[in-house]
Amino acid sequence: GAVVSQHPSWVICKSGTSVKIECRSLDFQATTMFWYRQFPKQSLMLMATSNEGSKATYEQGVEKDKFLINHASLTLSTLTVTSAHPEDSSFYICSATIPGLGPGDTQYFGPGTRLTVL
Amino acid sequence: GENVEQHPSTLSVQEGDSAVIKCTYSDSASNYFPWYKQELGKRPQLIIDIRSNVGEKKDQRIAVTLNKTAKHFSLHITETQPEDSAVYFCALGGTSYGKLTFGQGTILTVHP
Repeated sequence: GAVVSQHPSWVICKSGTSVKIECRSLDFQATTMFWYRQFPKQSLMLMATSNEGSKATYEQGVEKDKFLINHASLTLSTLTVTSAHPEDSSFYICSATIPGLGPGDTQYFGPGTRLTVL
Repeated sequence: GENVEQHPSTLSVQEGDSAVIKCTYSDSASNYFPWYKQELGKRPQLIIDIRSNVGEKKDQRIAVTLNKTAKHFSLHITETQPEDSAVYFCALGGTSYGKLTFGQGTILTVHP
């Protein structure tokens, strides 16, 4: 149980284009999903918290107009990187929690999406 | 906000030896302390976690200890094997619903 999928697993795009990444919880309903970015040899940096049916909460320094997050259902959250530039090239990982335990819910991670912007 | 420091950044051991990774934190309200293992290009996998009402938890060769007074928690891997080689991250949670703050990571290399 607690499987999270991401699509696509990798994507290459031209500078200036937009890319959408999907995150799905396959066997549970996730009221909260998280989006992380991980640069090579670095830790996971939380970008935003995505709550179903409401606006995402972005971490300090993350541009909400550039990284659009939509959490339209209990099993799907999407991250759209708008007007992508080479510096946006990174490994984007989502995670989801199983609600009910309060603070400190276990997070289950998706397999990640490798974005390369040319 | 939450801050967590992880040490060492790299750790090299011989197969069969033990490995210990330590994380210190500053926010005393934190109450959830998971450890993740990440292999190159793959997702982080939860290997063990502990909550603040427990001082130690063990799962076969892996254990985590928590000292809330001193604000640090450690991952212990005994009888290390080459397949334990990976990057290990500690994380801190509990102060914001579900949100985790990750340590800097430790590259563990187990030599056969």
